[in-house]
Amino acid sequence: GAGVSQSPSNKVTEKGKDVELRCDPISGHTALYWYRQSLGQGLEFLIYFQGNSAPDKSGLPSDRFSAERTGGSVSTLTIQRTQQEDSAVYLCASSLTGLAGGLNEQFFGPGTRLTVL
Amino acid sequence: AQKVTQAQTEISVVEKEDVTLDCVYETRDTTYYLFWYKQPPSGELVFLIRRNSFDEQNEISGRYSWNFQKSTSSFNFTITASQVVDSAVYFCALRVSGGYNKLIFGAGTRLAVHP
Repeated sequence: GAGVSQSPSNKVTEKGKDVELRCDPISGHTALYWYRQSLGQGLEFLIYFQGNSAPDKSGLPSDRFSAERTGGSVSTLTIQRTQQEDSAVYLCASSLTGLAGGLNEQFFGPGTRLTVL
Repeated sequence: AQKVTQAQTEISVVEKEDVTLDCVYETRDTTYYLFWYKQPPSGELVFLIRRNSFDEQNEISGRYSWNFQKSTSSFNFTITASQVVDSAVYFCALRVSGGYNKLIFGAGTRLAVHP
């Protein structure tokens, strides 16, 4: 399909291990977003990429979290030394543009469910 | 500060009933966008509608309608003649202009439509 895809769909890891979550945005979308959905916290913004601009990392909860976007397309969210509180569904979204006033509907992927034991 | 409040945590209705999901937002920006998303049991967030702050016209799309009132900072969502397939969690979200493009979500309202 032509939607946002994420992999893996489920990830179970042990506390202290590193994990990488992948997002493939809709082709042609210049803006990419990561959100986290966890019980008790709802949907939280993590990080936003717009084209070649510096990303907005204001939502990353700690320095164990990082993300990159290579070639303006695929993005990887990395969580180092995972903790149990990192257990959540990590959602990726993309939009045609992130520019103010633009066509900025965000289309979401199915998410990666991360469980840290 | 920006904030979205969905006071209804869970709503349970019987098929064919009308139901309104409430959304109240806070922002000091004069330009902003409001959204509704649906999250069915499959988990994927589905975009329903976007409304910008300068357009207070109500909108109807089939059984769905939205009532945007700036005077009360509300953007309520009504489903007419609800169906079992409407069962989902519904999120209201706010996006402010000015370069920060993150969506600020409400806590969501879980709607259960029973046959």
